[in-house]
Parts: sequence; C-alpha cells; structure tokens
Amino acid sequence: GAGVSQSPSNKVTEKGKDVELRCDPISGHTALYWYRQSLGQGLEFLIYFQGNSAPDKSGLPSDRFSAERTGGSVSTLTIQRTQQEDSAVYLCASSRQAQGAVDTQYFGPGTRLTVL
Amino acid sequence: AQSVTQLGSHVSVSEGALVLLRCNYSSSVPPYLFWYVQYPNQGLQLLLKYTTGATLVKGINGFEAEFKKSETSFHLTKPSAHMSDAAEYFCAVSDRNYGQNFVFGPGTRLSVLP
Repeated sequence: GAGVSQSPSNKVTEKGKDVELRCDPISGHTALYWYRQSLGQGLEFLIYFQGNSAPDKSGLPSDRFSAERTGGSVSTLTIQRTQQEDSAVYLCASSRQAQGAVDTQYFGPGTRLTVL
Repeated sequence: AQSVTQLGSHVSVSEGALVLLRCNYSSSVPPYLFWYVQYPNQGLQLLLKYTTGATLVKGINGFEAEFKKSETSFHLTKPSAHMSDAAEYFCAVSDRNYGQNFVFGPGTRLSVLP
C-alpha cells in the first residue's frame, strides 16, 4: 500500500513568511509524528498525535510552530514568521500505535525547507 | 528521560570488512531499541528493533544488533560490508511505558571503501 507522503518536497521561502507543510500518513495509522532534521544533526522530535488525544507538543521549539491533524488523518505543520534557523528537513512518520504497544514508525520522504 | 549516544559521527570500512556501529542508551525503564537507516536522498527505514525476548535481533540486509543491558548498549553489526550499505544510521530508544517518546541518536554516517 501507499506509504507516508509529504508535500511539498522542497520549499524555499523568505525570512518572515509563513509556511505550511503537509503529511499524509499511512491509512489506518493512528499515531503521527513530526521531526526536524537539521544539516548534520539527528532527528529532533517536534510533536506527536495519537488518535483523538491531545497532542504531545513538548518538542515544538517556539510558539511560531504549530500543527494540527484533521479527522485523525492528514496533518499540517505550520511555521509562522520563518527564520533562517528553521531551515531543515521536516520529517513526518506514522505508526499503528496500538494502545500500550510500541509500533514501528514509517517515515515520509521529508520536506526540505530553506529560509533565505 | 531517555538519551542515545552514537560513538563516531563517521565510520569508514572497506568493502567486505566488518561493520560495527555503536549505540549506547540511558533509560529509567526497560527500553525499546531501534536502528533506522537513511540512504542518500531517501527517507528513514527500519533496520531492526528490540522489544522483548531474544537479545540478538536480526534485521534486513544482513544487519543484526545485540541488546546488552549490563552495558546499556545496542551496537549494530554486519559481517561483511557492501558498497550499498553506505548511508546514515540512527539508533533510537523508546520508553516502554510511553511508546510515543522516541529519542533518536545523532546518527553515524557509514562510508564503504572499494
């Protein structure tokens, strides 16, 4: 079946502009994660959605970052008033996440964001 | 809180040589442990994972890892490196009680020399 998809694959924007990044998880996966991967860095956890529960926003670096997940499926990560340090690859992952279990995360190809 | 360290940001091996990528973790509870691989210009994919049971875990492409609780380690090995193994490898730990809290290590870039 289809994997996790993300759009756009590349986004170049000017400092101060807002951007929206989209993630389509694997159908039926209840858990959805956003990560940031900066050049030469590991993965930085941003936010986690699980079903209808309140999201875990503990990784969001500032209040310029927000995310929503509509209908328990598609998710949008929004970065307001972008800064050059926001330049990175933003990765989305989903998993079945049965209650009490730890399921494999399946990653999308990422969105490469460049802030000029 | 969990954490993961990967010794060596860049490892080079010759084709046919043993691959050893080191991962050490800290966790206040028994962990779930993962290795992910990221090939150039591709997304991350799971190599293998340890949850419970046998401490030697076999994954795809001939890789395996052994969970050693006494050493808090989960090193990744492959007996014979292939050119196609060149990639970035990430170790990750998850708190058994809160499965959403994945923590990834900084990654190790593996180069395979002809």
